[in-house]
Amino acid sequence: KNEVEQSPQNLTAQEGEFITINCSYSVGISALHWLQQHPGGGIVSLFMLSSGKKKHGRLIATINIQEKHSSLHITASHPRDSAVYICAANRDDKIIFGKGTRLHILP
Amino acid sequence: DGGITQSPKYLFRKEGQNVTLSCEQNLNHDAMYWYRQDPGQGLRLIYYSQIVNDFQKGDIAEGYSVSREKKESFPLTVTSAQKNPTAFYLCASSVGQVMNTEAFFGQGTRLTVV
Repeated sequence: KNEVEQSPQNLTAQEGEFITINCSYSVGISALHWLQQHPGGGIVSLFMLSSGKKKHGRLIATINIQEKHSSLHITASHPRDSAVYICAANRDDKIIFGKGTRLHILP
Repeated sequence: DGGITQSPKYLFRKEGQNVTLSCEQNLNHDAMYWYRQDPGQGLRLIYYSQIVNDFQKGDIAEGYSVSREKKESFPLTVTSAQKNPTAFYLCASSVGQVMNTEAFFGQGTRLTVV
């Protein structure tokens, strides 16, 4: 079992839908990242959070330290949001990555 | 603009040849990392360096080598000893140690060994 688990693995939705991607981790961490990987492969850091909630445009990330769980929400989804979203957790001096959630938004 | 540059984006090599992937950053970050990504798997750490002239093995260092002669540069050599080198390679950097700092990623290099 991976120390960082994401769900769902794949998600297809219609444009405009509210999207939720979940991340659970089984180890103590100091911070959690949400990353976005586009088809070309490059990765962009969306959020880094250690408590509470962060918002950037249509993206919202939350973390519950007690429950070892984080969610990434996308409001008013758009086809350009189609990408792989990766959850990654800081533990000691390393980052542990989830396998990613492939999101496809249909126009 | 500050950022991380990986080159080339695509690389083809014959089996048995060593190949070096470039990673340069102008963010003045101390720490740099190399990850490997395979289909259906999370990123796995190959090597990391937290300061010039020092680096440590990650989880899958066998068949790889690195150097950190300059703060800005952290090249990765995929040697002929790496049994399955075809993969997507990502370089990253962070201000200090990974703990509690944001990591920045390059655009990746897709290596195909034929």
